[in-house]
Amino acid sequence: GIQVEQSPPDLILQEGANSTLRCNFSDSVNNLQWFHQNPWGQLINLFYIPSGTKQNGRLSATTVATERYSLLYISSSQTTDSGVYFCALEGTSGTYKYIFGTGTRLKVLA
Amino acid sequence: EAQVTQNPRYLITVTGKKLTVTCSQNMNHEYMSWYRQDPGLGLRQIYYSMNVEVTDKGDVPEGYKVSRKEKRNFPLILESPSPNQTSLYFCASGNLQGDGGTEAFFGQGTRLTVV
Repeated sequence: GIQVEQSPPDLILQEGANSTLRCNFSDSVNNLQWFHQNPWGQLINLFYIPSGTKQNGRLSATTVATERYSLLYISSSQTTDSGVYFCALEGTSGTYKYIFGTGTRLKVLA
Repeated sequence: EAQVTQNPRYLITVTGKKLTVTCSQNMNHEYMSWYRQDPGLGLRQIYYSMNVEVTDKGDVPEGYKVSRKEKRNFPLILESPSPNQTSLYFCASGNLQGDGGTEAFFGQGTRLTVV
């Protein structure tokens, strides 16, 4: 099945810093999403981005499907950005089964 | 507001006592699914549903039941819970995008402890 690897596994930033999170995947996919799991455990939908680039405020994402990777950019980080960031892909079309990466745990210090 | 709503958010129960976790979505999505999240194992799919009365097993269906009698609801039933079902549970719904993929939206999670 599809393998999804995220890097770095852990990241500590000072408030205001920028960061780039990476997601590599082993096969072509129909879709890719980025999620933020906040400290209360909620999974927040950030981007649906099977290809191309999207931006939402301080966050942006780029997926290069032909090279099998996606990047999530966080600019001017805030303490509320802390949590775990997951990329997830639909492993097999029609099963609605998302294969989640191992996540990047981000801590933003005030 | 478009959302997926799970209840309860937190539950502590005893081994063998049947329980139901409800899930409801107001986005008219065809696809719904249940996942559990465990440390070191990530999120794993329990069951999914492509439409009303259509359900299928995911990766870890043992010990769980689901039903999809209405489009908006997809309850997760534990007939006889055991301690190894202690976990964080997520319900998700999704819609088919024009590019053939599905975009998923997750509920706020249910933290279940079985003692």
